[in-house]
Amino acid sequence: EADIYQTPRYLVIGTGKKITLECSQTMGHDKMYWYQQDPGMELHLIHYSYGVNSTEKGDLSSESTVSRIRTEHFPLTLESARPSHTSQYLCASSENQVAGQAFFGQGTRLTVV
Amino acid sequence: GESVGLHLPTLSVQEGDNSIINCAYSNSASDYFIWYKQESGKGPQFIIDIRSNMDKRQGQRVTVLLNKTVKHLSLQIAATQPGDSAVYFCAETMNYGGSQGNLIFGKGTKLSVKP
Repeated sequence: EADIYQTPRYLVIGTGKKITLECSQTMGHDKMYWYQQDPGMELHLIHYSYGVNSTEKGDLSSESTVSRIRTEHFPLTLESARPSHTSQYLCASSENQVAGQAFFGQGTRLTVV
Repeated sequence: GESVGLHLPTLSVQEGDNSIINCAYSNSASDYFIWYKQESGKGPQFIIDIRSNMDKRQGQRVTVLLNKTVKHLSLQIAATQPGDSAVYFCAETMNYGGSQGNLIFGKGTKLSVKP
């Protein structure tokens, strides 16, 4: 069982609200990731980080932002939620080495109404 | 049961049969590949991995085959069980001077196991 946690598991929120999705890992991993996944579809990388104070945009453009102030914590923020942001958001972490698998959290299913 | 073609969104097999899930990867420079299993409402879980210097790797009831010539990866599950029902994703990445690049995921295949 991976030691990576996401909260909340489910979130229903109104348009225009600011939200932060939390992700924490206790494995001491340097690399962390956020993926976006629509139901039954593949995972798209939206943000990643190599370590503290490092944040990079992924392959899929996203209006969300991330921060990495502590190694174990990688929150994702949407300043103004819209219905198009409705999706599942998956956080993952890995060691920054060759051939290291990524460990995933349970995901946050976000619905913007 | 066996999937047809390089990608099949769904695969239905009888309990006890063997399953084969296929994946075509995109980057000929990719050198590390992982199969993940995602059950409903959960995050992906690691099943098995393989590096590009190998063409076959076996785990418990699972085998991954890599064909670099045609950029093809397959996952074989022996004696498929109802607990194997899930969506299976392949992922690829490449080594950047001693560190690993980001995982790029393929389209998933939904495996359904009939009792």
